[in-house]
Amino acid sequence: GIQVEQSPPDLILQEGANSTLRCNFSDSVNNLQWFHQNPWGQLINLFYIPSGTKQNGRLSATTVATERYSLLYISSSQTTDSGVYFCAVDTGFQKLVFGTGTRLLVSP
Amino acid sequence: GAVVSQHPSRVICKSGTSVKIECRSLDFQATTMFWYRQFPKQSLMLMATSNEGSKATYEQGVEKDKFLINHASLTLSTLTVTSAHPEDSSFYICSARDAAQNTEAFFGQGTRLTVV
Repeated sequence: GIQVEQSPPDLILQEGANSTLRCNFSDSVNNLQWFHQNPWGQLINLFYIPSGTKQNGRLSATTVATERYSLLYISSSQTTDSGVYFCAVDTGFQKLVFGTGTRLLVSP
Repeated sequence: GAVVSQHPSRVICKSGTSVKIECRSLDFQATTMFWYRQFPKQSLMLMATSNEGSKATYEQGVEKDKFLINHASLTLSTLTVTSAHPEDSSFYICSARDAAQNTEAFFGQGTRLTVV
């Protein structure tokens, strides 16, 4: 099956810093989503981005489907950005395969 | 975005008992819902695909007799963990997509199951 790897696995930032999270996938995908999992386990939808670039406030994402990767940019990080970030891909059967996750800690 | 509601959010049960978890799409219809399991500090793993009006499809290694799935309507799927054991303790989370729009998936709040 498809492999979805995220890097880095762990990231510690000072409040106000910028960061880039990466998601590599091993096969063609129909769509890709980015999620933020908060400390209570809730998955928050960030982006639905099978290709191209999208921005939402301090967050933006870019997916280059032909090269099988996606990037999530976080600018001016805040403590509330802490949590685990997952990318997940759909290979055509609507079910999502999740990446390995990036655990982010933003300190004040 | 669409709302998926999952209940209960937390449950503690004794070994050998069964636990039912509900997943509802509140403002859209979902012909297909999905059930995932997440162990501490790990990623989410798909357990099964719940199909409205037909049998669920289970991923390799998931016991269908242990994890019973029922999708009786376009807005409700249930997962029953039967004869629960401590190793079934985990975080269970469901997802659904709007059948009419077929775009992004939305997730319920998750259920933290502890079997004692």
